[in-house]
Amino acid sequence: EVQLVESGGGLVQPGRSLRLSCAASGFTFDDYAMHWVRQAPGKGLEWVASITWNSGSVDYADSVKGRFTISRDNAKNSLYLEMNSLRPEDTALYYCAKAKYCSTGACYFDYWGQGTLVTVSS
Amino acid sequence: DIVMTQSPDSLAVSLGERATINCKSSQSLLYSFNKKNFLAWYQQKPGQPPKLLIYWASARESGVPDRFSGSGSGTDFTLTINNLQAEDVAVYYCQQYYSAPPAFGQGTRLEIK
Repeated sequence: EVQLVESGGGLVQPGRSLRLSCAASGFTFDDYAMHWVRQAPGKGLEWVASITWNSGSVDYADSVKGRFTISRDNAKNSLYLEMNSLRPEDTALYYCAKAKYCSTGACYFDYWGQGTLVTVSS
Repeated sequence: DIVMTQSPDSLAVSLGERATINCKSSQSLLYSFNKKNFLAWYQQKPGQPPKLLIYWASARESGVPDRFSGSGSGTDFTLTINNLQAEDVAVYYCQQYYSAPPAFGQGTRLEIK
């Protein structure tokens, strides 16, 4: 059974940093691209970042480019999101998502974690 | 970047009836090399993560009831739910994967009338 378990969320002040983790199991982790998608309270889904199976290519939404860094450790079956210079508008539930198929850098997702909540507030 | 727009924002349908949700992309999602539309549909129930329903605009994910069907091509797509059940109450999202960045529609909230 595929499982994605996010952790690391919490309450943080504007301008501070936070590191999210996603522990994957039930599939061959290093065969797939992985993504972070977020959902602000009561709002829709927003893609945040992606990383290819071998970390050879990463991509970010314009809203987080230069502030967030996605990475993975295939030996540990883990995905990460380092978030710096956090803003109130980054407040959201952050989902880790497994890509099922990818075209030119865009994928669709067959498994999602339950999410970890990040709240940016003073 | 491709922009996805869904309609309506919300709808209420009676049990056993049909629900229809539309999704329009700002550019064609049809790839000429494989004649496929790079469009997926997700269902998100309250308090749960999204669940993949449909990919390639019309291919049903394993385990998804055949009451759910996707159609359309190019820039206009439709998710149809036949014989609406109480457990279908959710927000539905379309998503393009034709080109980066992947983009979601704003969501359509489906309720029981």
